[in-house]
Amino acid sequence: DVVMTQTPLSLSVTPGQSASFSCKSSQSLLRSDGKTYFYWYLQKAGQPPQVLIYEVSKRFSGVSDRFSGSGSGTDFTLKISRVEAEDVGVYYCMQSSQFPSFGQGTRLEIK
Amino acid sequence: EVHLVESGGGLVQPGGSLRLSCAASGFTLNGYWINWVRQAPGKGLEWVANMNHDGSETYYVDSVKGRFTVSRDTAKNSLYLHMSSLRVEDAGIYYCATWLIWGQGTMVTVSS
Repeated sequence: DVVMTQTPLSLSVTPGQSASFSCKSSQSLLRSDGKTYFYWYLQKAGQPPQVLIYEVSKRFSGVSDRFSGSGSGTDFTLKISRVEAEDVGVYYCMQSSQFPSFGQGTRLEIK
Repeated sequence: EVHLVESGGGLVQPGGSLRLSCAASGFTLNGYWINWVRQAPGKGLEWVANMNHDGSETYYVDSVKGRFTVSRDTAKNSLYLHMSSLRVEDAGIYYCATWLIWGQGTMVTVSS
């Protein structure tokens, strides 16, 4: 099984500043088809998760360009530039290159 | 517009059964892997099971193998999660998802 480890577990950021989230997988997520099935989600309070980034760096339709994803193999990063109050919530990474698994989540709060 | 809508949640006693439904609109489930994901109260997300695009394969997390079954009705454009021998630790919100599209979830409570 692929274990996804997110750091930090919580983050407090001043509006307008940037935020960075890390996710490491216990195995490479690169598949034989050349794709890496890695996602970032934001779950706001009382809502289902919403996809931000898919396949490592592709921004989902309607997602602000303040969000960007990068990484490869086992190390992945989500960056938010110019954090806004509406970005508050829990950020999860997830992989489906093998049996799907989620990270434990990183809670973002605004200072 | 594309949507997934879950239903069928409720209160069930330990050892009981429940069938959750996931209805798709705006797109056809055929051609997509559909997943069930759950979230225990105050906890993170856990993948539970999925079915492949043509319905020929299903996969389950170890903790539900032999107790949960995924099926689908292509005529109704719906996916189902049949849950039996339910345990207290199975409680939570159950979502169906294509990974890009998620439903709002349905709550399962397992309690005597």
